[in-house]
Amino acid sequence: SQQGEEDPQALSIQEGENATMNCSYKTSINNLQWYRQNSGRGLVHLILIRSNEREKHSGRLRVTLDTSKKSSSLLITASRAADTASYFCATDVLSGGGADGLTFGKGTHLIIQP
Amino acid sequence: DAGVIQSPRHEVTEMGQEVTLRCKPISGHNSLFWYRQTMMRGLELLIYFNNNVPIDDSGMPEDRFSAKMPNASFSTLKIQPSEPRDSAVYFCASRRQANTEAFFGQGTRLTVV
Repeated sequence: SQQGEEDPQALSIQEGENATMNCSYKTSINNLQWYRQNSGRGLVHLILIRSNEREKHSGRLRVTLDTSKKSSSLLITASRAADTASYFCATDVLSGGGADGLTFGKGTHLIIQP
Repeated sequence: DAGVIQSPRHEVTEMGQEVTLRCKPISGHNSLFWYRQTMMRGLELLIYFNNNVPIDDSGMPEDRFSAKMPNASFSTLKIQPSEPRDSAVYFCASRRQANTEAFFGQGTRLTVV
């Protein structure tokens, strides 16, 4: 079953603008991660935010986490054409066996218009 | 390290045939995941292993699917018999330990005709 759900499903903006994507999830998590996927390729990890953190930055990326609302957002500032890709959130939850599973949403397809 | 290695990259097979997908995780990683990606269903977690032991296979669609991890450096996902609805991209991913980032292979694009 899928834990996270990204919003919007698709987003098209002009180069230089900021892009914001949201993720909502259902159950308690250990951490939330964002990944990027270029067409025809595997997923690449972008950033991980732990359940006790509220905000994290990495270069042009800013991630927020609100555990009370079970939601996260990914902001890409000063977008570039090369940022065109699909972006996924993934939630790390505790399974019954005490080990962790990593489940993904359906992603947001981001298009940066040059 | 070469990263997570999956083979084959592409597989075209006829309905009813057995299909075996292979994955070599990154050395030193103790968790391995198998995912299936389609347009309709997105990225589905099929099964994951910790220290070569299957932890949760609730995502495996049906008995036609099976996965093994005989040692820390190799895993297989088998579909027998295959059906056209199994057509998808199958990804393997590994990570060093819980609560860390996962590294994905390039995927196997499976087409069942």
